[in-house]
Amino acid sequence: AQSVTQLGSHVSVSEGALVLLRCNYSSSVPPYLFWYVQYPNQGLQLLLKYTTGATLVKGINGFEAEFKKSETSFHLTKPSAHMSDAAEYFCAVTLKTSYDKVIFGPGTSLSVIP
Amino acid sequence: DTGVSQDPRHKITKRGQNVTFRCDPISEHNRLYWYRQTLGQGPEFLTYFQNEAQLEKSRLLSDRFSAERPKGSFSTLEIQRTEQGDSAMYLCASSHSRGRGDEQFFGPGTRLTVL
Repeated sequence: AQSVTQLGSHVSVSEGALVLLRCNYSSSVPPYLFWYVQYPNQGLQLLLKYTTGATLVKGINGFEAEFKKSETSFHLTKPSAHMSDAAEYFCAVTLKTSYDKVIFGPGTSLSVIP
Repeated sequence: DTGVSQDPRHKITKRGQNVTFRCDPISEHNRLYWYRQTLGQGPEFLTYFQNEAQLEKSRLLSDRFSAERPKGSFSTLEIQRTEQGDSAMYLCASSHSRGRGDEQFFGPGTRLTVL
């Protein structure tokens, strides 16, 4: 069975500092991987996804993530945090079925300190 | 707005009452998903429709839960005899079956509080 773990339920960074949110997955087959962001009282928005090809994926709002098969990781980074980045971030993996059932990690709450 | 919409956004009910939520997906999307999200957790898959056919139900979806998508467009999720443990955010998402790894677009959710 596939699963997703996110190290650190809460991460705080200073404005302008590097953002690093960790995600590890377990999967018996190569997965599709996603990062979603959720702002308070809103639905989830896709930041970026990895399906095939280049392992460094660039997303919206300056975020990027790198798929490392050997480490079963898909960590999310942003060089310089902005106050507007404060939100809940979810790493997710799809099952290799016919309909892309998504398994979400528990989430990491990012706080940005001015 | 052509995004996924959900109604109502908030629902407060007493234990034992029935509630029904509605999801309107993006019009050209043939796949529709329901998820449940409790505080401090990621969304958990509940059920999936391709067009009007319900193709999978999670073990989380007890007999008190039923979902429909009668014409392959909007969907409803009904919870009968609500319990306090049903309190959660219920999220709907839709996607188009163009291929694997297609993005799911999420609605804003319906927050259910069972007193």
